[in-house]
Amino acid sequence: SQTIHQWPATLVQPVGSPLSLECTVEGTSNPNLYWYRQAAGRGLQLLFYSVGIGQISSEVPQNLSASRPQDRQFILSSKKLLLSDSGFYLCAWSIQGGGYNEQFFGPGTRLTVL
Amino acid sequence: GENVEQHPSTLSVQEGDSAVIKCTYSDSASNYFPWYKQELGKRPQLIIDIRSNVGEKKDQRIAVTLNKTAKHFSLHITETQPEDSAVYFCAGNMDSNYQLIWGAGTKLIIKP
Repeated sequence: SQTIHQWPATLVQPVGSPLSLECTVEGTSNPNLYWYRQAAGRGLQLLFYSVGIGQISSEVPQNLSASRPQDRQFILSSKKLLLSDSGFYLCAWSIQGGGYNEQFFGPGTRLTVL
Repeated sequence: GENVEQHPSTLSVQEGDSAVIKCTYSDSASNYFPWYKQELGKRPQLIIDIRSNVGEKKDQRIAVTLNKTAKHFSLHITETQPEDSAVYFCAGNMDSNYQLIWGAGTKLIIKP
């Protein structure tokens, strides 16, 4: 069966510090991968998605970046965090191919920028 | 591009009553419509989905209906229970698109 991991679960960072969040998927090959951010009490904002190694599509301009160094590894980074980067970060995966694809979410990372 | 609107933003119902959440979409090419439930502090999880070749789908107390002509779909929860309290998100997809376009969410409150 497939599982998705995210770490860390919670993170408190000062403004201007760097960020690295990691997501890994097990039990499937060549998945689509997604990074979402959810502000408190709000909806899901798609940040990045990837259909393959090294292929990253960005949905919104921001000071975040994403990388996919391996097939089942997705990393979200920032060089300098802003207060507005606080939120619940969710990684998700779906079966390659688009279409009727359920997205499976990881447990999330709760980031607080102070 | 696709746009999905969801309402109401908050819905409060008495335990045992039914709840209905509605979503509309803009792109007639959309053909997959999942519903996710997100409990407080947890990840969203799929509870039911429907494809455009089906008008209705049921799973115990949960059902989803799709009206392709009007471009709207609805989630129906019958005999609501306290554990149904959560935020519910609808979404729409396109066959050739890797993305889900999400509604803004509905906070469902079940009153005892």
